[in-house]
Amino acid sequence: TQLLEQSPQFLSIQEGENLTVYCNSSSVFSSLQWYRQEPGEGPVLLVTVVTGGEVKKLKRLTFQFGDARKDSSLHITAAQPGDTGLYLCAVNTGGFKTIFGAGTRLFVKA
Amino acid sequence: SAVISQKPSRDICQRGTSLTIQCQVDSQVTMMFWYRQQPGQSLTLIATANQGSEATYESGFVIDKFPISRPNLTFSTLTVSNMSPEDSSIYLCSGGGGEGGTQYFGPGTRLLVL
Repeated sequence: TQLLEQSPQFLSIQEGENLTVYCNSSSVFSSLQWYRQEPGEGPVLLVTVVTGGEVKKLKRLTFQFGDARKDSSLHITAAQPGDTGLYLCAVNTGGFKTIFGAGTRLFVKA
Repeated sequence: SAVISQKPSRDICQRGTSLTIQCQVDSQVTMMFWYRQQPGQSLTLIATANQGSEATYESGFVIDKFPISRPNLTFSTLTVSNMSPEDSSIYLCSGGGGEGGTQYFGPGTRLLVL
């Protein structure tokens, strides 16, 4: 089983729609990260959430860390074609390693 | 921040051969890692590249198949040995500042084994 479960796996929406991506685990984490990866590129860090219940905003993206620090969500308001990409949640485990969820592939149609 | 470059960016190789991928960071980083990403999927950690000593491999990956070097704090190589079509994948290098620190990724090396 995966340490981090992401849903949905794939999402295709029209420009202007809202969407939410989820990252769940049965483990508690001290922090959680969200990355976005565009085709032909490596993942780029969007945000790190640290405190249970924390909400962070990055323009049209809203990230929330669950109260128990076991899950997180990413909400995108008024999606644009430029938001298309693979969204990955990740956590640091022992030995400074980063473990990634399976990812949500988002396609925003113009 | 750190900028990470990899080369080659892509290659097509014959089965049974080996390919060495280079990763260069523009500043000293504490940690360097190698990941594999199958098309359309997430990243799987292959190993932690340790400076001046043997890499630490994750379950399912072994040194004979994926030898790794890290002679200093800014450079590492990953060799994919005795390749088979199942090794076709994207190989990504990353560097970061340790626990809780931001990781920066290279653009990846796209490998196709025929």
